[in-house]
Amino acid sequence: AQKVTQAQTEISVVEKEDVTLDCVYETRDTTYYLFWYKQPPSGELVFLIRRNSFDEQNEISGRYSWNFQKSTSSFNFTITASQVVDSAVYFCALSGPINAGNNRKLIWGLGTSLGVNP
Amino acid sequence: DAGVTQSPTHLIKTRGQQVTLRCSPKSGHDTVSWYQQALGQGPQFIFQYYEEEERQRGNFPDRFSGHQFPNYSSELNVNALLLGDSALYLCASRPDGAVISTDTQYFGPGTRLTVL
Repeated sequence: AQKVTQAQTEISVVEKEDVTLDCVYETRDTTYYLFWYKQPPSGELVFLIRRNSFDEQNEISGRYSWNFQKSTSSFNFTITASQVVDSAVYFCALSGPINAGNNRKLIWGLGTSLGVNP
Repeated sequence: DAGVTQSPTHLIKTRGQQVTLRCSPKSGHDTVSWYQQALGQGPQFIFQYYEEEERQRGNFPDRFSGHQFPNYSSELNVNALLLGDSALYLCASRPDGAVISTDTQYFGPGTRLTVL
């Protein structure tokens, strides 16, 4: 069965600290996609990244970086020099198996609430 | 380019009533999905619409129904509301096509439904 685990329910840091959000997944698919979404207090889910299971190269986008390790089924997200505006709930998601309609639905983790204090 | 829009922003209903939520997808997107997000939880997939038909459905009762219009906008209807239906309802859109290129969904701001 597909599953996404975000073991950290809440994290609180002081501005400018680096913080890593953990994501561990389970899947029997050989091809799958992993996602990170940010949900600020406004509620809208903001897409951050999509990672193909065949591409284990780490990615950096400004202060954000992602470490995908297939051997440990993890897709961790690091924010460098955190800012107050980074305060949000962050969700990790996994694309589920392809169904008869050639579609996948997302399997979501429970989210990690990040609070960045000034 | 407007992103995904949803209306209303907030809604308060009482048990047993019916509610209709609306969603307009991002320009160029023709596939719309609906999610229910209870407080402190991740989004739960309700269903997905494409070409005005329900293409995929999550584990939700028949009280939850939907519709997609020729302009790709969509409605979510919930009948016989229960207290447990109180949640943030999110709409997401993406262009259809090959799975590989279209797994990325763009979400609207959501409708906060409170059932009293």
